[in-house]
Amino acid sequence: AQSVTQPDIHITVSEGASLELRCNYSYGATPYLFWYVQSPGQGLQLLLKYFSGDTLVQGIKGFEAEFKRSQSSFNLRKPSVHWSDAAEYFCAVARESSNYKLTFGKGTLLTVNP
Amino acid sequence: NAGVTQTPKFRVLKTGQSMTLLCAQDMNHEYMYWYRQDPGMGLRLIHYSVGEGTTAKGEVPDGYNVSRLKKQNFLLGLESAAPSQTSVYFCASMDQVEQYFGPGTRLTVT
Repeated sequence: AQSVTQPDIHITVSEGASLELRCNYSYGATPYLFWYVQSPGQGLQLLLKYFSGDTLVQGIKGFEAEFKRSQSSFNLRKPSVHWSDAAEYFCAVARESSNYKLTFGKGTLLTVNP
Repeated sequence: NAGVTQTPKFRVLKTGQSMTLLCAQDMNHEYMYWYRQDPGMGLRLIHYSVGEGTTAKGEVPDGYNVSRLKKQNFLLGLESAAPSQTSVYFCASMDQVEQYFGPGTRLTVT
């Protein structure tokens, strides 16, 4: 069964600092890869996705992610964090052979200090 | 175009009561999913459907039933609610791999 690991449960950064959230998945073939963000009490918003092609993908709100096949990783980055980025971030994977069911990581909570 | 809607938004049940959560989408998507979200657990798949009249079990199906009688609706039922089913429930529909999520239903079972 595929699994997704987000090693960092909670990360705190200062406003204006750079950010990297880690995501590793376990599956032989390259799955479809996603990052979602969830503000407190809100639903899920898709930040970006990777299906194939260029391994660096751009998303909304200034986020980007890089797919590294050799490391089975799909880390999320942002060069300069804003206070409004404080939220919980989820990495997820899907496979066509599994009817595109999403398997989520347990999430990383981001706190932004002024 | 409302996207994916969920009814109700909040509900409090007593142990042993039953209820049905409704998910509706107006995007003509074939695939639909029900997830539950618990603190520190991420989202976990309960049941899903690949088309009208079909349903299948996900990762945590026990205590839930589903029906997809119409393409646009996917119902999640709890026949006898338990405190362990206190959670936030999200529905999603899928088009070209990407899933579109509803706003969620917060369910508390006392």
